[in-house]
Amino acid sequence: GENVEQHPSTLSVQEGDSAVIKCTYSDSASNYFPWYKQELGKRPQLIIDIRSNVGEKKDQRIAVTLNKTAKHFSLHITETQPEDSAVYFCAASRNNAGNMLTFGGGTRLMVKP
Amino acid sequence: DTGVSQDPRHKITKRGQNVTFRCDPISEHNRLYWYRQTLGQGPEFLTYFQNEAQLEKSRLLSDRFSAERPKGSFSTLEIQRTEQGDSAMYLCASSPQGGGTEAFFGQGTRLTVV
Repeated sequence: GENVEQHPSTLSVQEGDSAVIKCTYSDSASNYFPWYKQELGKRPQLIIDIRSNVGEKKDQRIAVTLNKTAKHFSLHITETQPEDSAVYFCAASRNNAGNMLTFGGGTRLMVKP
Repeated sequence: DTGVSQDPRHKITKRGQNVTFRCDPISEHNRLYWYRQTLGQGPEFLTYFQNEAQLEKSRLLSDRFSAERPKGSFSTLEIQRTEQGDSAMYLCASSPQGGGTEAFFGQGTRLTVV
């Protein structure tokens, strides 16, 4: 089955700096890669996703890159703000497998004002 | 609220008791998923329904766990003879049919087995 590794487990940055979170996956058939943000005590919420036919996607301060050959994908947050502080999870799934998500272990991002 | 709703939000039970959780997905979504999340970890897939059919079950789902979605709308997850290791957040998610579509999560049911 799929295995998703996520690094780092914790990340502390100064407000205004950039943050990068990296994930690797094992199943070359995976073709959908979402990123979820989970604040303390709240539900995971999708912030951005990318499909395997695209190498990069951007939405305002958030971008995701995908390298299918190396089987890794990354989340980039620019101009970080204190409200970006949360746990971020990457995930992978296969379209033809009911889209069940395999999650990484999470990254706790702390943005210091 | 048209999001995914779960009930109850919190459940404390004694070891050995049975518990049942309910999930109401977004109404037009025919796919429904159950995940389990322990503290400091990512959600782990448990089981998946397309309409009323349970199409996939994780090896994590022991025979003490059973899930149903009888009319293809709401779903229940029952845990029999609870153990302390069952303590976790149980998350439900739903999505429309089709690959690579967003899964919307509920707030979860936090289970504590004492």
